[in-house]
Amino acid sequence: TQLLEQSPQFLSIQEGENLTVYCNSSSVFSSLQWYRQEPGEGPVLLVTVVTGGEVKKLKRLTFQFGDARKDSSLHITAAQPGDTGLYLCAGVGSGGGADGLTFGKGTHLIIQP
Amino acid sequence: DVKVTQSSRYLVKRTGEKVFLECVQDMDHENMFWYRQDPGLGLRLIYFSYDVKMKEKGDIPEGYSVSREKKERFSLILESASTNQTSMYLCASLGTPGGVRAQHFGDGTRLSIL
Repeated sequence: TQLLEQSPQFLSIQEGENLTVYCNSSSVFSSLQWYRQEPGEGPVLLVTVVTGGEVKKLKRLTFQFGDARKDSSLHITAAQPGDTGLYLCAGVGSGGGADGLTFGKGTHLIIQP
Repeated sequence: DVKVTQSSRYLVKRTGEKVFLECVQDMDHENMFWYRQDPGLGLRLIYFSYDVKMKEKGDIPEGYSVSREKKERFSLILESASTNQTSMYLCASLGTPGGVRAQHFGDGTRLSIL
């Protein structure tokens, strides 16, 4: 069974600060995805990283896939209250089948105004 | 945009009742999923379906069953609801935009079993 560990589990910081959350595994994934879930809603896909070492930017969010395709990080610059939410990473397995996604338990992020 | 619609946002039922949670997607996706989400446990896969009338057990299928009579609709059934099934239930369908798998989620059903 492939497992994804996310850290920290909870993070509360002031508006304007920078932060990084991590997603780690001992398994190799063909790609890795980050989702954000706001209260009362389902998770929404933010980004997919596919190549080892790949870096993708989405405004103030920077996503990186580890060289060995076992881990990923999400860095937020100058955090805003609108960034508050649950951030989930999901690994896409190299095998086929509909069940090829493994989710981490998530990082609860709160940005205080 | 993909739309995944869950029939109820909030539901309150009693122990022992048979409970139906409905999910509909509008993108002709073959693969659909039911998860439950609990604090500290993350998303756990209950069942998934890769085609009409086809179903596979996920990680925690006990106490649940599913039905996929039409491609767009995937139903989760609690045969005899128990208090430990109080949870947030999320339905998803799987698309492959640009060749990369991505799950599209509904807004969830918060189910309370009294």
